[in-house]
Amino acid sequence: AQSVTQLDSQVPVFEEAPVELRCNYSSSVSVYLFWYVQYPNQGLQLLLKYLSGSTLVKGINGFEAEFNKSQTSFHLRKPSVHISDTAEYFCAVSESGVFGNEKLTFGTGTRLTIIP
Amino acid sequence: NAGVTQTPKFRVLKTGQSMTLLCAQDMNHEYMYWYRQDPGMGLRLIHYSVGEGTTAKGEVPDGYNVSRLKKQNFLLGLESAAPSQTSVYFCASSYTIAGEQFFGPGTRLTVL
Repeated sequence: AQSVTQLDSQVPVFEEAPVELRCNYSSSVSVYLFWYVQYPNQGLQLLLKYLSGSTLVKGINGFEAEFNKSQTSFHLRKPSVHISDTAEYFCAVSESGVFGNEKLTFGTGTRLTIIP
Repeated sequence: NAGVTQTPKFRVLKTGQSMTLLCAQDMNHEYMYWYRQDPGMGLRLIHYSVGEGTTAKGEVPDGYNVSRLKKQNFLLGLESAAPSQTSVYFCASSYTIAGEQFFGPGTRLTVL
């Protein structure tokens, strides 16, 4: 079965600085990968997803992520963060075409705090 | 188009009481899910449904029951609430089981 590791539980970043949130997954088959964002007291919303094709995926709010199959990673990046990016970010994985393992497995989340 | 809605938004229960959380979606999705979110543990799947009339256990099903009598609704029940069930509960739905999930705003449940 698949698993997801987000090693950084909290990441403080100064406003307008770049940020990278790390995500590594474990799976022996092809995967779909997702990043979700959760603003305070709200549900989760999709930032971006990788299903197939280009390994560089662009999402909403200026975020992008790169799928690296050899390193089993899907790190999220933004070149310049804003106060409004303060939120918790979740990486998720599902195994494509594997009956019983298609459901999303979420990481434990990374809390991004933007420092003015 | 309301997306995914959850009722209620907040609830406080005493140990042993029962309650039902309601999730509704208007996107005609086949798949629906119930998660719980606890600090430092991310989202954990409680139960899910692959279509009307079907339910299946997720990662942490004990102490919960679900029903999917109508395609648009997915109910989560706690028969005898315990303090360990204090959590934020999220419902989600999706068009395919491996695809993007759409989340409701959550229900914050406290069990005293």
